[in-house]
Amino acid sequence: QKEVEQDPGPLSVPEGAIVSLNCTYSNSAFQYFMWYRQYSRKGPELLMYTYSSGNKEDGRFTAQVDKSSKYISLFIRDSQPSDSATYLCALTTDKLIFGTGTRLQVFP
Amino acid sequence: DTEVTQTPKHLVMGMTNKKSLKCEQHMGHRAMYWYKQKAKKPPELMFVYSYEKLSINESVPSRFSPECPNSSLLNLHLHALQPEDSALYLCASRGAGYGYTFGSGTRLTVV
Repeated sequence: QKEVEQDPGPLSVPEGAIVSLNCTYSNSAFQYFMWYRQYSRKGPELLMYTYSSGNKEDGRFTAQVDKSSKYISLFIRDSQPSDSATYLCALTTDKLIFGTGTRLQVFP
Repeated sequence: DTEVTQTPKHLVMGMTNKKSLKCEQHMGHRAMYWYKQKAKKPPELMFVYSYEKLSINESVPSRFSPECPNSSLLNLHLHALQPEDSALYLCASRGAGYGYTFGSGTRLTVV
């Protein structure tokens, strides 16, 4: 079993939709939980990070962590074509471990 | 300055060449990382430097040689690479929190 599992996608949604991206993990030692966005041929860009169970909101983005279920989510409200990218969950103890990434396409 | 700068952006090298990738940050971060990313795959950790000392080597072949000359600079020296080493090489740094800042990467092609 991989340490971090992520829904592979790809996901194609219309502009304005609510997008839900999810990861599960197996190692309860993970302490910090992040979401990165990566555009084609660019480095990953940190969107959000949190270390506790619950919700964290930043504009159109909400990160949700459930440590008891070992489940993390990223919600994107009012999705825009500019949100089209690959989204990677990432978890850390002494190393940053990435999920496989979900490719999102938002069409006008 | 909140960026990690990587040079060159693109590199094509032959299997007998020696080249170096450079990474620079001026955020005062004391942990720096090299990652390798193949197409449609997530980044994979190669090396970790903490306070300018190599702390993690993820069993990377010796044809990749990292170097941290000072707290702002990280190099990756390349020698006798194979075509399968072609990938996007990413540098990252981390400060006091746990958010990692990535550079845009060097796209390496080995011919």
